[in-house]
Amino acid sequence: AQSVTQLGSHVSVSEGALVLLRCNYSSSVPPYLFWYVQYPNQGLQLLLKYTSAATLVKGINGFEAEFKKSETSFHLTKPSAHMSDAAEYFCAVSRRWSFGNEKLTFGTGTRLTIIP
Amino acid sequence: EAQVTQNPRYLITVTGKKLTVTCSQNMNHEYMSWYRQDPGLGLRQIYYSMNVEVTDKGDVPEGYKVSRKEKRNFPLILESPSPNQTSLYFCASSMGPEVTKETQYFGPGTRLLVL
Repeated sequence: AQSVTQLGSHVSVSEGALVLLRCNYSSSVPPYLFWYVQYPNQGLQLLLKYTSAATLVKGINGFEAEFKKSETSFHLTKPSAHMSDAAEYFCAVSRRWSFGNEKLTFGTGTRLTIIP
Repeated sequence: EAQVTQNPRYLITVTGKKLTVTCSQNMNHEYMSWYRQDPGLGLRQIYYSMNVEVTDKGDVPEGYKVSRKEKRNFPLILESPSPNQTSLYFCASSMGPEVTKETQYFGPGTRLLVL
């Protein structure tokens, strides 16, 4: 069964510093992986997704993630944190539920705080 | 503007009092689903619908009902709410169920407290 583990429920970085949010996956088949962001009082928004094309995936708002099969990881990074990046971030993996039907399994989330 | 709307956004109720949370999308999406979000557990799918009159259970369907009589609406019904259903609920929609191809759009969430 596919699953994801997010290391660190809370991460704090200084404005302008590197953002690194960790996600490791477990999957018996080649996984499709996603990062979603949830801003305060809003629903989830797709940041980026890996669907077995390029291993380095670029998303919105300057975020990117690299799929590393040898490490079973899909960590999210951003070179320079901005105050507007403060949010909760969810890693997710898709699994086939039935023919033509896929479902997302979400991690437990990482809350990112930006220190001025 | 393309969006998924939910009502109400906040709700406090008592055990056993039936309630309905509405969800509506204006993107002509066929696939809709409901999730609940709990601290330390992430999001878990409650029910989903592939199209009008086609619904099925997700991972945590106990205590919930849904209906899909119109393409744009997908209400979540709690016939007899209990305190363990206190949670943050999200509705989502997409063109199809294949999340690798179709982006899911999420509503703003409904925070429910059952006393």
